[in-house]
Amino acid sequence: DVKVTQSSRYLVKRTGEKVFLECVQDMDHENMFWYRQDPGLGLRLIYFSYDVKMKEKGDIPEGYSVSREKKERFSLILESASTNQTSMYLCASSRTGLTEAFFGQGTRLTVV
Amino acid sequence: QKEVEQNSGPLSVPEGAIASLNCTYSDRGSQSFFWYRQYSGKSPELIMFIYSNGDKEDGRFTAQLNKASQYVSLLIRDSQPSDSATYLCAKGTGANNLFFGTGTRLTVIP
Repeated sequence: DVKVTQSSRYLVKRTGEKVFLECVQDMDHENMFWYRQDPGLGLRLIYFSYDVKMKEKGDIPEGYSVSREKKERFSLILESASTNQTSMYLCASSRTGLTEAFFGQGTRLTVV
Repeated sequence: QKEVEQNSGPLSVPEGAIASLNCTYSDRGSQSFFWYRQYSGKSPELIMFIYSNGDKEDGRFTAQLNKASQYVSLLIRDSQPSDSATYLCAKGTGANNLFFGTGTRLTVIP
């Protein structure tokens, strides 16, 4: 059973803090993704990675960075959290060739 | 133009009816298409994927793809209240990327 696990379900951070969101998958998938989901805007891709240490910008990378030092782990970093980054963050993984993508349970981040 | 466009709805159908969800996309090079279902407060889960023109059936679900018209749809036959959810259309690109539409909220009325 594929599992994508995000480190936190709910998170509250202060403006200006550096925030780390962690995601781990156990299926040896090559691809990993970070999305944010906002009402009326759907899922928007922030970054994705197709291999260790490789990353590509998605639609809305500004204010975010990522790290993939190991195949199973993909981290999203908010360099200096702002209130407009309050959102639901979803991590996903898939095999190369873009078969099914599996999602983590999501992290609801509130920046105050 | 957005990569993937969906009618946000909401779409309401009576129990037992056919629900029809539609999606258009840009980029004729797109090769793979996915339909995800997302219950409120939950993560998206895959219902179906389709790569070739035509219809693909899986139980009560049928996905239809028309690459010439850049159109993909999902039909849900004999709709049940448990089908009430947001349905997300997604397209895959050769760069292993996955773009989602904004989703259509479906309500099946008992």
